Amino acid sequence: GQNIDQPTEMTATEGAIVQINCTYQTSGFNGLFWYQQHAGEAPTFLSYNVLDGLEEKGRFSSFLSRSKGYSYLLLKELQMKDSASYLCAVRDPYSGTYKYIFGTGTRLKVLA
Amino acid sequence: GAVVSQHPSRVICKSGTSVKIECRSLDFQATTMFWYRQFPKQSLMLMATSNEGSKATYEQGVEKDKFLINHASLTLSTLTVTSAHPEDSSFYICSAITGGDKLTYEQYFGPGTRLTVT
Repeated sequence: GQNIDQPTEMTATEGAIVQINCTYQTSGFNGLFWYQQHAGEAPTFLSYNVLDGLEEKGRFSSFLSRSKGYSYLLLKELQMKDSASYLCAVRDPYSGTYKYIFGTGTRLKVLA
Repeated sequence: GAVVSQHPSRVICKSGTSVKIECRSLDFQATTMFWYRQFPKQSLMLMATSNEGSKATYEQGVEKDKFLINHASLTLSTLTVTSAHPEDSSFYICSAITGGDKLTYEQYFGPGTRLTVT
């Protein structure tokens, strides 16, 4: 079966660093995506990993280990506006249509 | 670039009626569009994949006769919820991909439609 797990909720302090983990067990793998979603809004793209290692983009970094079925999203210098849900998604290589399998999502609350 | 719109943003309808939701790619041609539903505090659940000019592919457990999808052009897909019931109340989100970004084929999401069935 297809299974993607994330912590349900996390809380962190403004200015701190937070790491959101994602573990996956899927029949295939063709890339892992991280999206940010504020309540009642559409998800917005944050990062993409297809090879092992770290991808850095400003305050956000994403890491992938395909052998371990593991990824994390690292958010530095947290700001209040980072309070949102963070969705991990694995792309299904067998669908032929590049569909995603979404994780459960992690709700991050940033406190002042 | 890569903007996806949805209309309406919110809709309230009576039980037993049908509702149509439009998803448009504004500045690109979408080879494939996806329809999701999202319940409060939950993640996105894929309902169906829509390719222009062909029948949609529905995920297991999604009733294709209840959720009608039409992808008439490379910029428009519609989802019609037929004979809606209160349990169909949800946040419906579409997304689109284009063959132009061959590196990632990332999905671009619309702003979502909040459906409330009374």
